[in-house]
Amino acid sequence: KAGVTQTPRYLIKTRGQQVTLSCSPISGHRSVSWYQQTPGQGLQFLFEYFSETQRNKGNFPGRFSGRQFSNSRSEMNVSTLELGDSALYLCASRIGGLNYEQYFGPGTRLTVT
Amino acid sequence: SQQGEEDPQALSIQEGENATMNCSYKTSINNLQWYRQNSGRGLVHLILIRSNEREKHSGRLRVTLDTSKKSSSLLITASRAADTASYFCATDAYNNYGQNFVFGPGTRLSVLP
Repeated sequence: KAGVTQTPRYLIKTRGQQVTLSCSPISGHRSVSWYQQTPGQGLQFLFEYFSETQRNKGNFPGRFSGRQFSNSRSEMNVSTLELGDSALYLCASRIGGLNYEQYFGPGTRLTVT
Repeated sequence: SQQGEEDPQALSIQEGENATMNCSYKTSINNLQWYRQNSGRGLVHLILIRSNEREKHSGRLRVTLDTSKKSSSLLITASRAADTASYFCATDAYNNYGQNFVFGPGTRLSVLP
């Protein structure tokens, strides 16, 4: 079974631009969560989508948004990029609720200059 | 503050030795999970232990959970250089929007050959 894939793997953007990251979950997994990882703040939960609906969200500004498609693929978008948005963005999928393990993708390394 | 806190922050041992990492959390949980992350890459799920379990094994890994002390430990026996990575505990927690995983800051393990 193919793992979680994320594209692109690396991205360099300029302040003020917007970016869209993509995540394809493991086949059959309906839950997709997004995390931001930085050296200072660690791993922080952004949001979770389940069956095309946002089921939960973390404490991030509205510039961070996401969506999920009918095939469970998910995208996250960050508008008006700031230097502090430079991070590793990780996507994770799981088959059900929080009692199930998460499978993580390799991440997208975003650098904002 | 974070739900989970790992201790120590960094650990350096010789190959063949055992490594023990601890995780403490604040609120009651349904389950606790341990993950490994190699430098700058995605996380790999190691073990999930439910709140009604006290100990779980997987190969060279042993996880214990003490809900009365709100703590868990991860023991890696007979460590190898390939075990060099960061280890995170994750607990389920509620926020204003629902339930999600909260990760601790991690323990960076270095296994020296």
